[in-house]
Amino acid sequence: EAGVVQSPRYKIIEKKQPVAFWCNPISGHNTLYWYLQNLGQGPELLIRYENEEAVDDSQLPKDRFSAERLKGVDSTLKIQPAELGDSAVYLCASSFDGYTGELFFGEGSRLTVL
Amino acid sequence: AQSVAQPEDQVNVAEGNPLTVKCTYSVSGNPYLFWYVQYPNRGLQFLLKYITGDNLVKGSYGFEAEFNKSQTSFHLKKPSALVSDSALYFCAVRVAGAGSYQLTFGKGTKLSVIP
Repeated sequence: EAGVVQSPRYKIIEKKQPVAFWCNPISGHNTLYWYLQNLGQGPELLIRYENEEAVDDSQLPKDRFSAERLKGVDSTLKIQPAELGDSAVYLCASSFDGYTGELFFGEGSRLTVL
Repeated sequence: AQSVAQPEDQVNVAEGNPLTVKCTYSVSGNPYLFWYVQYPNRGLQFLLKYITGDNLVKGSYGFEAEFNKSQTSFHLKKPSALVSDSALYFCAVRVAGAGSYQLTFGKGTKLSVIP
């Protein structure tokens, strides 16, 4: 069974440029998460989807970040414009049971903003 | 508010010796507790969880963890460390109860197993 797939793995951009990350969750997992992981820190939730509905986006900086999950499968996380402080790893995860079940993480997309 | 503390940034242990990675938590209510491992340039992988029942839970790769409610701890243990266990370990907590999905991670503990 394929795991959570993310792309690109690495992205280097100039500040003020836009960037997008893509995630394909495990088949059958209705819950999808985007996490932010800064160096030396644990993951922090940005947004959680139940199917195509964003049910928790309280930590998403909506002035520059946006996300979508069309058709309740793949998801895209966008940053526009990027700032130096956005340099981090963006992790996508999915789960079958978002309450007691474990999360399955992708390998992450490492963003460097110059 | 819920939180997780991993008091040790790094743990060093000799191969073959037992290892312990510490975790304490704070939640308003009963906890669901998780351990994840992260290898370099990889995503997090689930190791084990405590939801209810036996306080000692066993997980992947020979790891186990003990839930101690009075000490609000969930320490990760393994009887005999392998060099391949060297990685970053994260403890996470969620409060049990309808509608609560927020999972809070600790800052992580780097485990180095010395040959």
